[in-house]
Amino acid sequence: GAGVSQSPSNKVTEKGKDVELRCDPISGHTALYWYRQSLGQGLEFLIYFQGNSAPDKSGLPSDRFSAERTGGSVSTLTIQRTQQEDSAVYLCASSLVVGQIGGEPQHFGDGTRLSIL
Amino acid sequence: QKEVEQNSGPLSVPEGAIASLNCTYSDRGSQSFFWYRQYSGKSPELIMFIYSNGDKEDGRFTAQLNKASQYVSLLIRDSQPSDSATYLCAVLGPNTDKLIFGTGTRLQVFP
Repeated sequence: GAGVSQSPSNKVTEKGKDVELRCDPISGHTALYWYRQSLGQGLEFLIYFQGNSAPDKSGLPSDRFSAERTGGSVSTLTIQRTQQEDSAVYLCASSLVVGQIGGEPQHFGDGTRLSIL
Repeated sequence: QKEVEQNSGPLSVPEGAIASLNCTYSDRGSQSFFWYRQYSGKSPELIMFIYSNGDKEDGRFTAQLNKASQYVSLLIRDSQPSDSATYLCAVLGPNTDKLIFGTGTRLQVFP
């Protein structure tokens, strides 16, 4: 597609349920990033993928959070046993390559607004 | 000390004026710097990136980088009300593949 696509755009669920968020990066982009943005806050890094591997998982808040990427394309972020503090906008970004001298710009999707009741 | 710091604002400027947004970073070895614009309720949109010391101009936008002083700035000339948004500074460190974002500066351009 033309841009990064995320689904669903909105998700409301009850505390304790599991949720799965999807990100489809720009075609040809090998790097994929997940961020979280709480109301009025900056972007919090969660995890990134280079191809299908995740060299840096340091931002995942707890073991309830996991992510995978298959086929070097679509990624899913799963939150198990959701808590109210998980409510936020979850943003996905992709770039042509990871890091590199010069740093390839990251392009963001529209995000998934997650609300935990 | 935060890795990337920005004044939260709001920065209020009249239409037609120059808006100056500043960002400082702590990792002296950082190499790549990005400015994103985020409208309320929307995702960040890349405005500019800069890698080398000095100025980089793109239309009404100029990014300025001073690695010795560890700051990067964004100038918006002829500010328009449509420029009203939060501007996020992001820095890529030397030994990392992830961007570190500041908390953003809210810009208000009034007619």
